[in-house]
Amino acid sequence: EIVLTQSPGTLSLSPGERATLSCRASQRVSSNYLAWYQQKPGQAPSLLIYGASSRATGIPDRFSGSGSGTDFTLTISRLEPEDFAVYYCQQYGNSYTFGQGTKLEI
Amino acid sequence: QLQLQESGPGVVKPSETLSLTCTVSGGSFSSASSYWGWIRQPPGKGLEWIGSIYYTGSTYYNSSLKSRLTISADTSKNQFSLKLTSVTAADTAVYYCARDHGGFGYWGQGTLVTVSS
Repeated sequence: EIVLTQSPGTLSLSPGERATLSCRASQRVSSNYLAWYQQKPGQAPSLLIYGASSRATGIPDRFSGSGSGTDFTLTISRLEPEDFAVYYCQQYGNSYTFGQGTKLEI
Repeated sequence: QLQLQESGPGVVKPSETLSLTCTVSGGSFSSASSYWGWIRQPPGKGLEWIGSIYYTGSTYYNSSLKSRLTISADTSKNQFSLKLTSVTAADTAVYYCARDHGGFGYWGQGTLVTVSS
């Protein structure tokens, strides 16, 4: 099973700042099949990024994904108030696993 | 717009079977290249993939749940279902269904299932 480790566990920033979230896999993620999700309290997760770097439909371009192999990054270029949430990475190249999440807080 | 809706009991007794159904609307369950999955989230914790099904009936299960798990589909009703046997308190979670197409792009709202006597 591929284990995904997200860091940091909690990230404290202010609106307008840049956020960088990391997701490291215990082994290579096949075909860079890596997705990122945002989850707000009481809501289902929503897909932000798939294939490591492709934005899902309707996702603002301040969200970007990068990386390959075992190291992946989600960057939010300029934080808006609605971006403060929990973020999960997920690999779907070899079965499916989720990271433990990063809480982005004000 | 594709929509998914979970349904089923909110409380299940320990050792019994948890059964949930996901109804797909605004699109076809049988659309090509689409898998349909179940994901759960214990209160205050992270996400765990449970399993997925292709419209042809092929299934893929989380190895840690495989011995207790069955996912099936009724294409005539645009539904797929989850059965998890011998539940314990550790199975208490919000259960989500979602469409799996290069990431889980569409999700149901989730349903809380509590295992309690």
